Amino acid sequence: KAGVTQTPRYLIKTRGQQVTLSCSPISGHRSVSWYQQTPGQGLQFLFEYFSETQRNKGNFPGRFSGRQFSNSRSEMNVSTLELGDSALYLCASSEGRGSYNEQFFGPGTRLTVL
Amino acid sequence: EDKVVQSPLSLVVHEGDTVTLNCSYEVTNFRSLLWYKQEKKAPTFLFMLTSSGIEKKSGRLSSILDKKELFSILNITATQTGDSAIYLCAVEAGGSQGNLIFGKGTKLSVKP
Repeated sequence: KAGVTQTPRYLIKTRGQQVTLSCSPISGHRSVSWYQQTPGQGLQFLFEYFSETQRNKGNFPGRFSGRQFSNSRSEMNVSTLELGDSALYLCASSEGRGSYNEQFFGPGTRLTVL
Repeated sequence: EDKVVQSPLSLVVHEGDTVTLNCSYEVTNFRSLLWYKQEKKAPTFLFMLTSSGIEKKSGRLSSILDKKELFSILNITATQTGDSAIYLCAVEAGGSQGNLIFGKGTKLSVKP
């Protein structure tokens, strides 16, 4: 089985722009979770999607949004980028909702905001 | 506010040493505690703990949870250079911050 894939792997944007990141889960996995990792805050949970519905959401502003398609692929969007949004964005997939012990992580997208 | 605190933040040992990594937490509606190993980018799952006092073991790694004192430890015996990584502790909880709250991690460096 192919692993979790994320595109693009690297991205450079400027303040005020918006960005869309993509995550393709492992075949058969219906849950996709998104995380932000920064040196200062560590790894933080953004949200989880299951069956095209957002099931859980972390403590992030409304500029961070996402969606999931019928094939379980997910996108995450950040609008009005700020310097502090520079981070590694990881997605993880699992078969069931909230199955954190069965999550497989993708390689991440490194976003740099200038 | 829910929080997960790991200590130490970094640790340097030599091959063959035994290390203990700590994770303490204060969360609303605790559900489980998870340990991950992060070498390059993607964390890999190690253990999930839900009950106090029951040790989970996998090779040279083991972990235990104390729900009364609100902490967990991860032990690595006979360390090898391949154990060098960031070890992350996360707690699944039912508070307002979302379901999975991570600590900042412990960076372990194992010298030959």
